[in-house]
Amino acid sequence: GAVVSQHPSRVICKSGTSVKIECRSLDFQATTMFWYRQFPKQSLMLMATSNEGSKATYEQGVEKDKFLINHASLTLSTLTVTSAHPEDSSFYICSARSRGLNNSPLHFGNGTRLTVT
Amino acid sequence: KQEVTQIPAALSVPEGENLVLNCSFTDSAIYNLQWFRQDPGKGLTSLLLIQSSQREQTSGRLNASLDKSSGRSTLYIAASQPGDSATYLCAVKSQNRDDKIIFGKGTRLHILP
Repeated sequence: GAVVSQHPSRVICKSGTSVKIECRSLDFQATTMFWYRQFPKQSLMLMATSNEGSKATYEQGVEKDKFLINHASLTLSTLTVTSAHPEDSSFYICSARSRGLNNSPLHFGNGTRLTVT
Repeated sequence: KQEVTQIPAALSVPEGENLVLNCSFTDSAIYNLQWFRQDPGKGLTSLLLIQSSQREQTSGRLNASLDKSSGRSTLYIAASQPGDSATYLCAVKSQNRDDKIIFGKGTRLHILP
């Protein structure tokens, strides 16, 4: 089945630094990838939709200058948390859908646990 | 605006019992509905995807049903096992152009050995 790889799985960084999270579709091409954020015991909140070759679409309330998204190829999207603060500590998950299959299942990465100290 | 609700928020049942998890959505104009499993600190594993034209999908001990007109879906787990303990999330893709998936808050399931 389709596999989405997310890296790193855990990262601890100091306040003020930037962290990059990668999301790769390993065996399919993904024109669209989604980035979610999940707080403890809460559901996934969509942060942004990443489209290959174009700018990401951010949800209301998500700062695009703080959460930089790049979708440079059909198999890779990156999320960079810039100038991280402790309140950015969360679980970040990416997902991807196969190219051209708008009704196909979403496949998720294993998530990245970000802790900002 | 689509809203997805899952009841109950948490559930504990003895091993071997059959159980039903519920998901409701406010806008019946959907493309599909997907059930996921999430283990603590992990990503999501897709369990079943039901297209809007379908009534149910089955995979092993899992059966998901969809009643689009009433805005409801159920996930039935037969002969529950301790390994089924996880959080189960349902997610809806609406029939609009923004391609967004809306998630419920999940049901935390604990199967008692």
